Parts: sequence; C-alpha cells; structure tokens
Amino acid sequence: GAVVSQHPSRVICKSGTSVKIECRSLDFQATTMFWYRQFPKKSLMLMATSNEGSKATYEQGVEKDKFLINHASLTLSTLTVTSAHPEDSSFYICSALEGERDIQYFGAGTRLSVL
Amino acid sequence: GQNIDQPTEMTATEGAIVQINCTYQTSGFNGLFWYQQHAGEAPTFLSYNVLDGLEEKGRFSSFLSRSKGYSYLLLKELQMKDSASYLCALRGGGYQKVTFGTGTKLQVIP
Repeated sequence: GAVVSQHPSRVICKSGTSVKIECRSLDFQATTMFWYRQFPKKSLMLMATSNEGSKATYEQGVEKDKFLINHASLTLSTLTVTSAHPEDSSFYICSALEGERDIQYFGAGTRLSVL
Repeated sequence: GQNIDQPTEMTATEGAIVQINCTYQTSGFNGLFWYQQHAGEAPTFLSYNVLDGLEEKGRFSSFLSRSKGYSYLLLKELQMKDSASYLCALRGGGYQKVTFGTGTKLQVIP
C-alpha cells in the first residue's frame, strides 16, 4: 500500500509555543491531504482538508488562525498549532488521498502534549 | 448530513469468525471504508466498497448493501493481533471527504 510519513511522532512543548507537524506522501503524489484530531477512545474528527496550491478547507468549529495548514507541494502538507495551550493536547493524524483508487492512507500520528 | 452507527465493543475467541456491522444514513454515497486501528496508532486501510456485494481479501471480507445502508466486516480465523478498533468510514456528500464512525473495539480472547 501507499506510504505516508508523519513527523514528529511525539512532541512535548510549553504553553504558548507553536508546533509544526509534517505529513509526507512517500511514493505517490497527493493533491489532497486531511488533518484529523483524535481524543482518547473517540473516533477521528476531521479538522481540515488540505489542497495543494490553495487554501485549506476547515471544518466548522476549527479555528483556522490556530491551526495553520500549508500544502506547498504534491507530497507535503504541514499543520502548525500556534500558541499551543494544554487543551490542544491530542493525537493528530494526517492522511493523504491516493488519487488512483481514491483511498486515504494515514500517517503514524503525532501525540502532542502541551504543558 | 451523515450518520454512522456501529457497536462499541465486541469480544470473540481466537480462531473463530466475527462480523462487525455498520449502518449508515447519508444524503449522498460515494463509498464505504473499513480501517483497523490499534491503540495509540494511526488507522490502516482494510477495504473499500463502492458497489453492492462481498469483497474478500484474505481473512478479511467486507459487504455492502447500499439500499439498506448497511455494511459489515467479516474477520475469519481470528488471531490475537486482530484485537483493535475497527472503523467504518463513509464517503458521501463532499466527494473526497470521509466521515468516520466511532469504531468497534474488538477483543480477541484465547
């Protein structure tokens, strides 16, 4: 199957700092990537759809100024959590849409802990 | 809008067969996915159904009935490593957007 790399896998930061998470499709090009957030024992909550070369589409209730998304190339999307606070602590997962079969392949996830 | 319903938890015995059901309501249907997710890890793709019927892939099979808004994932010859959450996910409405169900936590016991 297609491979998606997400980095870092875990990050601990102080309140008020910004954290950048990278999502790369390694063996295919992805014009569309997705960013999800998952709380313990809950399902995936879509935060935004990242489109290469254009602005991301955010889901209702997700602050676009808080969660900055950049999809500058066909293989890379980044999510920056700005001025992180403890309530932003969560498991963030990206996925990339493999266009030939229209299947989302997921990165390994990033566990963010804000102190 | 979309609504996905699947059981919260299931328990099955090693070597047995288990069927995980998923029912859904959607304003538009473009496909249904099943993903496996182990605790603390990201989901891995299992199957994708667009048309009605059964799709078999090794020990895993997935069935879809669009008229009934129903799908199931069938796991045969259960192994301990199959203990995980199984997520039913629906592509509908916005073509590329996928909505995930809350997942079924499967525990395989000896």
